Amino acid sequence: KNEVEQSPQNLTAQEGEFITINCSYSVGISALHWLQQHPGGGIVSLFMLSSGKKKHGRLIATINIQEKHSSLHITASHPRDSAVYICAARLYGNKLVFGAGTILRVKS
Amino acid sequence: GAVVSQHPSRVICKSGTSVKIECRSLDFQATTMFWYRQFPKQSLMLMATSNEGSKATYEQGVEKDKFLINHASLTLSTLTVTSAHPEDSSFYICSARDTSGGTDTQYFGPGTRLTVL
Repeated sequence: KNEVEQSPQNLTAQEGEFITINCSYSVGISALHWLQQHPGGGIVSLFMLSSGKKKHGRLIATINIQEKHSSLHITASHPRDSAVYICAARLYGNKLVFGAGTILRVKS
Repeated sequence: GAVVSQHPSRVICKSGTSVKIECRSLDFQATTMFWYRQFPKQSLMLMATSNEGSKATYEQGVEKDKFLINHASLTLSTLTVTSAHPEDSSFYICSARDTSGGTDTQYFGPGTRLTVL
């Protein structure tokens, strides 16, 4: 079993839909990252959080430390949101362990 | 915001040659940088942790003599793939750790796609 599990693996949504991507981890962490990777490969760091909730534009990330679970929400999704979304658990010692990624496709 | 650059973005080389990839933090100093490798349809795998002024720490299974890392300054780390072979073809990504101003986060470079013929 991987230390970081993401679901779903693939997600297709219609433009405007509310999207949720889930991440569960089984190790102790100091923080959790949500990353976005576009087809060209470049990675953008969306959020780093260690508790509670963060919001940036249409993106919201939450984490429940007790349940070892985090979610990334996208409100009013748009085709330009189509990308791979990766959660990465930051272990004590700063090593990142990555989930397999969720491939999101938003259709217009 | 913080930016990490990589150069080159894409490189094609012949088998047996060496390739150097640069990773720069553009507006912060990074005592720690990380090198990752990503094969198609797979997630990122940490190769090594690069510490400024000291030897890199390699993950299990990564050959330190094949993947040479030099972190000579607080804004530059280089990864040299020596005697590259087709199985080294991959997407190489660096990230830099920013601990300035009470923060502690990682910023990722745009990646370098290496193709070894």
